[in-house]
Amino acid sequence: AQTVTQSQPEMSVQEAETVTLSCTYDTSESDYYLFWYKQPPSRQMILVIRQEAYKQQNATENRFSVNFQKAAKSFSLKISDSQLGDAAMYFCAYRSFSTGTASKLTFGTGTRLQVTL
Amino acid sequence: NAGVTQTPKFQVLKTGQSMTLQCAQDMNHEYMSWYRQDPGMGLRLIHYSVGAGITDQGEVPNGYNVSRSTTEDFPLRLLSAAPSQTSVYFCASRGGDSFTGELFFGEGSRLTVL
Repeated sequence: AQTVTQSQPEMSVQEAETVTLSCTYDTSESDYYLFWYKQPPSRQMILVIRQEAYKQQNATENRFSVNFQKAAKSFSLKISDSQLGDAAMYFCAYRSFSTGTASKLTFGTGTRLQVTL
Repeated sequence: NAGVTQTPKFQVLKTGQSMTLQCAQDMNHEYMSWYRQDPGMGLRLIHYSVGAGITDQGEVPNGYNVSRSTTEDFPLRLLSAAPSQTSVYFCASRGGDSFTGELFFGEGSRLTVL
């Protein structure tokens, strides 16, 4: 079974600065997807960024980018130019590629990000 | 489009009571699922469905029932609520032909069992 580990329960960053959230995972599969979800105080889960394991290029979405190290099974999220609206719980998630529509997301325990002035 | 709609958003139950959490999506998604979120444990899959008439168990199915009579709806039933079922519940859906794996989530339902 796959596991996802987020070792930082809480992080803090000043507005306009850069912060990196860590995620490691354990799997024996070679093809899979990785995701970062954001959960603001409203509770709504919002997809931030996704990475396909077969792609070597790191995904980017505006101020959000990932550092995907497949051999190390590491998938960190970098938030540049942090904004107050980035304050939220962030979850790293893994999905197997091979099991089609029945496959589930395996979530980490989350990292709570605070953004200070 | 409303996306994924969950009701109710908040509910308090007494031990032993039953209730149904409703979930509806208007995106014609084949795949629907229920997760529970507990502090320090992330989200865990309860049940899922890959289409009308087809359901299966996830990681933590005990104490919960589901059915899928239509593509749009996927209700979660608690037959006899227990304090251990106090949690925030999320319904999520995904298009059956979507291999990007993105789930669309509802806003969550906070359930307290006394």
